[in-house]
Amino acid sequence: DTAVSQTPKYLVTQMGNDKSIKCEQNLGHDTMYWYKQDSKKFLKIMFSYNNKELIINETVPNRFSPKSPDKAHLNLHINSLELGDSAVYFCASSQETLSGNYGYTFGSGTRLTVV
Amino acid sequence: GDSVTQMEGPVTLSEEAFLTINCTYTATGYPSLFWYVQYPGEGLQLLLKATKADDKGSNKGFEATYRKETTSFHLEKGSVQVSDSAVYFCALFSGGYNKLIFGAGTRLAVHP
Repeated sequence: DTAVSQTPKYLVTQMGNDKSIKCEQNLGHDTMYWYKQDSKKFLKIMFSYNNKELIINETVPNRFSPKSPDKAHLNLHINSLELGDSAVYFCASSQETLSGNYGYTFGSGTRLTVV
Repeated sequence: GDSVTQMEGPVTLSEEAFLTINCTYTATGYPSLFWYVQYPGEGLQLLLKATKADDKGSNKGFEATYRKETTSFHLEKGSVQVSDSAVYFCALFSGGYNKLIFGAGTRLAVHP
């Protein structure tokens, strides 16, 4: 049973296209996150949602739009893709009140390559 | 703001060598501290954690002790294996910012 699952695992697309990455968790957690990992492995939070409500929105271009239809799903839509968007995107989840004790559970990542 | 600093890699060791990866943090209050591991082509897995000063987290032979006086959480293992080759991330949970903040990661390569 996969706890946090992302699809697709790999995504290769041309500049200017619009693409979506999907994430689902079956842990019953109330908070979900998107992180971006650049080519140097640096991880930076992009968004977090708690029970479908946006609670963290870092300085991310507005071409990136998260959508949470329910607390088990958090999708990431990216418009007008640019070369600099190439990275690995990780979804994660946690029980907000227990994040300090247990940290986050991460998905296996989506490697986005923009050509 | 809150931040985590890790030693730069790569760290290259022979099998059975002793490992230390340094991690220091800056935070208001007393954050929880974590080590995550990322094996090639995979996501991040929680390796160990400590939630208060002097706590020692341990898992799979790895250990780290929460040192409030030196604001450090160094990762150690007495005898590394080839299978330990991965990228290791130190992280803190910032209650003030309500998010997990990562260090830059340290790549470990273990050779037979």
